Amino acid sequence: QVQLQESGPGLVKPSQTLSLTCTVSGGSISSGGYYWSWIRQHPGKGLEWIGYIYYSGSTYYNPSLKSRVTISVDTSKNQFSLKLSSVTAADTAVYYCARGAGGAVDYWGQGTLVTVSS
Amino acid sequence: NFMLTQPHSVSESPGKTVTISCTRSSGSIASNYVQWYQQRPGSSPTTVIYEDNQRPSGVPDRFSGSIDSSSNSASLTISGLKTEDEADYYCQSYDSTWVFGGGTKLTVL
Repeated sequence: QVQLQESGPGLVKPSQTLSLTCTVSGGSISSGGYYWSWIRQHPGKGLEWIGYIYYSGSTYYNPSLKSRVTISVDTSKNQFSLKLSSVTAADTAVYYCARGAGGAVDYWGQGTLVTVSS
Repeated sequence: NFMLTQPHSVSESPGKTVTISCTRSSGSIASNYVQWYQQRPGSSPTTVIYEDNQRPSGVPDRFSGSIDSSSNSASLTISGLKTEDEADYYCQSYDSTWVFGGGTKLTVL
């Protein structure tokens, strides 16, 4: 059973960079065919796709966030990461890491709340 | 890119059948698979339908999915409603990027 777990600071100051890591267990992040993804949910709102990194290393980002987002992978630690720069209060959300197969998510992390505040 | 539009909320009584729609704004609904996720309060989403009409193991056959090219929409139908089905439901599709619908709150009362 694949499990994903997000980790990182729960509080980030405005204008700084939000950094989160997702640790994958029960399967190798190097396995072919999967999209290692980040999705967020603003408080009381819907799901917003941030982006993903394909097992080959190719990245795809939400056009509305593209200029501020970087997703990378560390195969030696079986982890992938999210960096979101120049954050504002509008970036306060629960951030989920997820595994995509085809165009669908098959495994989700439990989510982590990140608050942007001074 | 395209958008997926869902009704904000639906409600129905236990034992009844409810259908939630998801309309694609541009491009054909049939060009990329549609998924449906259930999210209960305080929990991560879970998949109830993938690839338009496939159920993951463990999802009861009360849940079914379909697409309709004439209305360019997808639908999630839940029959024999139970109070435990009360949740938010999101459709999702993709091209080079992933797109989520705005979500529908299902109330079973």
